[in-house]
Amino acid sequence: HLEQSAAEVKKPGEALKISCKGSGYTFTTYWIGWVRQMPGKGLEWMGIIYPGDSDTRYSPSFQGRVSISADNSLNTAFLEWNNLKASDTAIYYCTRHVSGASNPYYIDVWGEGTTVTVSS
Amino acid sequence: DIVLTQSPASLSVSLGAVASINCKSSRNLYYFDGDYLAWYQQKPGQPPKLLFYWASTRASGVPDRFSASGSGTDFTLTITSLQPEDVAVYFCHQFYTGPQTFGQGTKVEIK
Repeated sequence: HLEQSAAEVKKPGEALKISCKGSGYTFTTYWIGWVRQMPGKGLEWMGIIYPGDSDTRYSPSFQGRVSISADNSLNTAFLEWNNLKASDTAIYYCTRHVSGASNPYYIDVWGEGTTVTVSS
Repeated sequence: DIVLTQSPASLSVSLGAVASINCKSSRNLYYFDGDYLAWYQQKPGQPPKLLFYWASTRASGVPDRFSASGSGTDFTLTITSLQPEDVAVYFCHQFYTGPQTFGQGTKVEIK
């Protein structure tokens, strides 16, 4: 199970950190990813972290715009922005990926999503 | 990045009829242990749900009216005997290499 933090309403230029808490499994043995879904649109893979060794990978489309981290003591992964834009308005899903030898595989569990609204 | 192109973009099918969705990859997704492709179903207002992985392995709890096939660059998701609860958007997803990518989605409706 992946429990995501509540919806957020922010202004452009503000910072934000949303969370995803894993339960019912060993948090450090699965990759946790983040997927964006803009209103009425498809799915965009943003990036991923392996809590076991903090290996973090980003899609070039999101590199430098967001930061992914994890706190193993809390079984929680985070997605963070320093400077939100209106175009960041979307639902953000955290995802659990089945783990390959050294790479993430398919998504077997999805969180319910965190709706982020950025508006002045 | 690997581009996944789904067709059609939308599909209107009668109850009990067959719906087929195609997913074409810009690169071969086959490696020694299988095809690195998954399918998901997203119903309105819900997160996506895993249907198939390794191109054709059905996830737990998925009804057997759903099937998936294909290898290399061409893949198909088929729903035989469409039911009202199958109304959803269906996405393919490649996990062959980073960044992982999704198809643009295919919306399935009842005619």
